[in-house]
Amino acid sequence: EIVLTQSPDFQSVTPKEKVTITCRASQNIGSGLHWYQQKPDQSPKLLIKYASQSISGVPSRFSGSGSGTNFTLSINSLEAEDAAAYYCHQTSSLPPRFGQGTRLEIK
Amino acid sequence: EVQLVESGGGLVQPGKSLRLSCTASGFTFSTYGMSWVRQAPGKGLEWVSSISGSGSSTYYADSVKGRFTISRDNSKNTLSLQMNSLRAEDTAVYYCAKGDSSGYVRIPFDYWGQGTLVTVSS
Repeated sequence: EIVLTQSPDFQSVTPKEKVTITCRASQNIGSGLHWYQQKPDQSPKLLIKYASQSISGVPSRFSGSGSGTNFTLSINSLEAEDAAAYYCHQTSSLPPRFGQGTRLEIK
Repeated sequence: EVQLVESGGGLVQPGKSLRLSCTASGFTFSTYGMSWVRQAPGKGLEWVSSISGSGSSTYYADSVKGRFTISRDNSKNTLSLQMNSLRAEDTAVYYCAKGDSSGYVRIPFDYWGQGTLVTVSS
């Protein structure tokens, strides 16, 4: 089974900063990696699919990169509404798995 | 507009059963794989099970295999999860999620329901 490890677990940032969250897979998963945002008391929302493909309706400040075992979610010019937990999710190898999550706090 | 509405959660004793449902609208239900994902209180997301659009293929996490059964009724646009032999560690919010293509388990989830809470406790 593939294990996904996100870093950091928690980050406190100020508005307009650029944030980078990483997700490392224990084996090569190609580009089968997706990112979700979950705001408090809400359902998860798909932000990026297949490592770098954008999703309609998601602000352009969110972007993804990487392949193989190392992936990155970047948030440019952070806004207060970006306070949330972020999860990576791999679907290249069964069973599908989520990372443990990264909680983003806005100062 | 895609909508997924879960129901059926509640308080249940260990060893008992519960059936969750998810009613879908706003898309051609039979075309898409569907999944259940759960989240224990204060914890992260855990994939539980997936089913193909036709219902002919299913896949389960080891943690629920043999106890949970996923199914769908395409005539009623409904996804179900029959949960038997429930354990305290099954306590979680259960989300129904739509796959973004015709695949069923190797795909991202582009829409999620609001979730239904299952509490397993005596």
